[in-house]
Amino acid sequence: ETGVTQTPRHLVMGMTNKKSLKCEQHLGHNAMYWYKQSAKKPLELMFVYNFKEQTENNSVPSRFSPECPNSSHLFLHLHTLQPEDSALYLCASSQDRRSTDTQYFGPGTRLTVL
Amino acid sequence: SQQGEEDPQALSIQEGENATMNCSYKTSINNLQWYRQNSGRGLVHLILIRSNEREKHSGRLRVTLDTSKKSSSLLITASRAADTASYFCATDALKNSGYALNFGKGTSLLVTP
Repeated sequence: ETGVTQTPRHLVMGMTNKKSLKCEQHLGHNAMYWYKQSAKKPLELMFVYNFKEQTENNSVPSRFSPECPNSSHLFLHLHTLQPEDSALYLCASSQDRRSTDTQYFGPGTRLTVL
Repeated sequence: SQQGEEDPQALSIQEGENATMNCSYKTSINNLQWYRQNSGRGLVHLILIRSNEREKHSGRLRVTLDTSKKSSSLLITASRAADTASYFCATDALKNSGYALNFGKGTSLLVTP
């Protein structure tokens, strides 16, 4: 266990559904991240939160909406997704955003959009 | 792009053999990290090497860094079936308000008994 949990582990949704992914870290970290991992592509950074404030939005479509109510919890709200959004969505946290900080990853949510 | 690129994309070896994976990147870095991912799971940090270090060891892992060639290698000695996983290098990148990591596509390692 890395100290980062994600729910649900698997999610199947239609293009008109609204769902949310949840991430929780028990490490007392200040920074949290959402990544998208698709087959044959590098891990894509989506959003970064630092002390609950969004500090990076890597040109992510508005159908993905992050929320960080406190430094331990991170959500990714999904609506009107496309089939190409099917991927493994990974949450990570790090103590801060120094270059020496390592990231701790959750197990991911496998999302399938029909 | 500053993303690391691992080579080879896939590697298949037998237990007991050594596995070597390479990573190349394009711009200057402060640190380079290696992560491991078991199938369908999250990434786990293995080792960090600083730009002023040339070699670092951790158990059966040996990482080298050549900043003049902008490359790093990860060596796993005496491999085991449990080492089967994907391995990623990650370089640091300064963003708006701190550092983030740029990951490569990874090397998929299969260790057969």
